[in-house]
Amino acid sequence: EIVLTQSPGTLSLSPGERATLSCRASQSVSSSYLAWYQQKPGQAPRLLIYGASSRATGIPDRFSGSGSGTDFTLTISRLEPEDFAVYYCQQYGNSPWTFGQGTKVEIK
Amino acid sequence: QLQLQESGPGLVKASETLSLTCTVSGGSISSTSYYWGWIRQPPGEGLQWIGSMYYTGSTYYNPSLKSRVTISVDTSKNQFSLKLSSVTAADTAVYYCVRHRYFDWLLNYWGQGTLVTVSS
Repeated sequence: EIVLTQSPGTLSLSPGERATLSCRASQSVSSSYLAWYQQKPGQAPRLLIYGASSRATGIPDRFSGSGSGTDFTLTISRLEPEDFAVYYCQQYGNSPWTFGQGTKVEIK
Repeated sequence: QLQLQESGPGLVKASETLSLTCTVSGGSISSTSYYWGWIRQPPGEGLQWIGSMYYTGSTYYNPSLKSRVTISVDTSKNQFSLKLSSVTAADTAVYYCVRHRYFDWLLNYWGQGTLVTVSS
């Protein structure tokens, strides 16, 4: 099973600032099958990024993903008030599909 | 517009079987383009893939839960179901039904989720 470790656990930032979230895999993720999800309280996760760097439909271009192999990054270029949430990475290259433990982006 | 709606008891007694159904509307569960599955999230915790299935009945389970999980499909009702046996308090979670793309298993659609509490 591929273990995904996200850092930091919590990111305290102000609106307008840049957020950089990390996801490290215990082994290489096949075909860069790495996705990022955003989850707000009481809601289901929403797909932001797939294939490590492709934005899902309707996702603003302030969200970008990068990385390959075992190291992946989600960047939010300028935080909007609606971006404060928990973010999860997930690999879908090797079964069982696994998630990171999440990074909470909170308002400073 | 695709909709996935979970339904089932919100309270299950320890040692019994948790049963949930996902009703798919706005799309066909018999599509060759998707798998359908279940993911859970204990309160305040992260996400865990439980298992998934194809409309033909082929199933794929997380090894950590495989001995207790059964996922089945009813194409006539456009529904699929989850059964988790011998539940304990650790199975208390929000359960989501989800859709994966067939060719790469990307999770691209989630139901709203339903909370199931296991009571002693």
